[in-house]
Amino acid sequence: DAGVIQSPRHEVTEMGQEVTLRCKPISGHNSLFWYRQTMMRGLELLIYFNNNVPIDDSGMPEDRFSAKMPNASFSTLKIQPSEPRDSAVYFCASSSQVSKGNQPQHFGDGTRLSIL
Amino acid sequence: GDSVTQMEGPVTLSEEAFLTINCTYTATGYPSLFWYVQYPGEGLQLLLKATKADDKGSNKGFEATYRKETTSFHLEKGSVQVSDSAVYFCALSDNTGGFKTIFGAGTRLFVKA
Repeated sequence: DAGVIQSPRHEVTEMGQEVTLRCKPISGHNSLFWYRQTMMRGLELLIYFNNNVPIDDSGMPEDRFSAKMPNASFSTLKIQPSEPRDSAVYFCASSSQVSKGNQPQHFGDGTRLSIL
Repeated sequence: GDSVTQMEGPVTLSEEAFLTINCTYTATGYPSLFWYVQYPGEGLQLLLKATKADDKGSNKGFEATYRKETTSFHLEKGSVQVSDSAVYFCALSDNTGGFKTIFGAGTRLFVKA
């Protein structure tokens, strides 16, 4: 079975540039999560969607960050303009949630983002 | 709000040693509890889970028991291997209709040959 697919795996760009990270969740999963992981701050939840609708974006650090989920099989996380402090590993995860939160999340392998 | 506290690492053990990584939680209601493992360069993956009090989750020789009276979910393995070197995350998920999972800070394990 295909897992969560993220692209690109690595991204190096200069500050001020727009960055777009992409995620394809597992087919049939109805919840999607975007996380950021750094040594200093650990794993942070940025935003999550349920049935393609954003439920909680309180973890999005600034207006420079935006996320969309136009359909059940695709999501993007965009940073514009990017800054060096945005350098991190960004993970996408999906799960199949109905009425109870007892289903695990399935993570992609992440996008390692470096802003110079 | 809900929270997860796990022991700070790194934890360094010799091969075949006994492993315990402590995890306690704070939650309203009756959450589901999880252990995830992250190998270098990869995303987190589910190791085991327990959905109600006194349940024991187990996988690949790892075990954890959902203890409601002590609000704990400690991870144990009787004999670790070098290949178990990774970061381990304890997590909880609200069972009242929410979708978020709350993760602990992670505990890095090094196993020496």
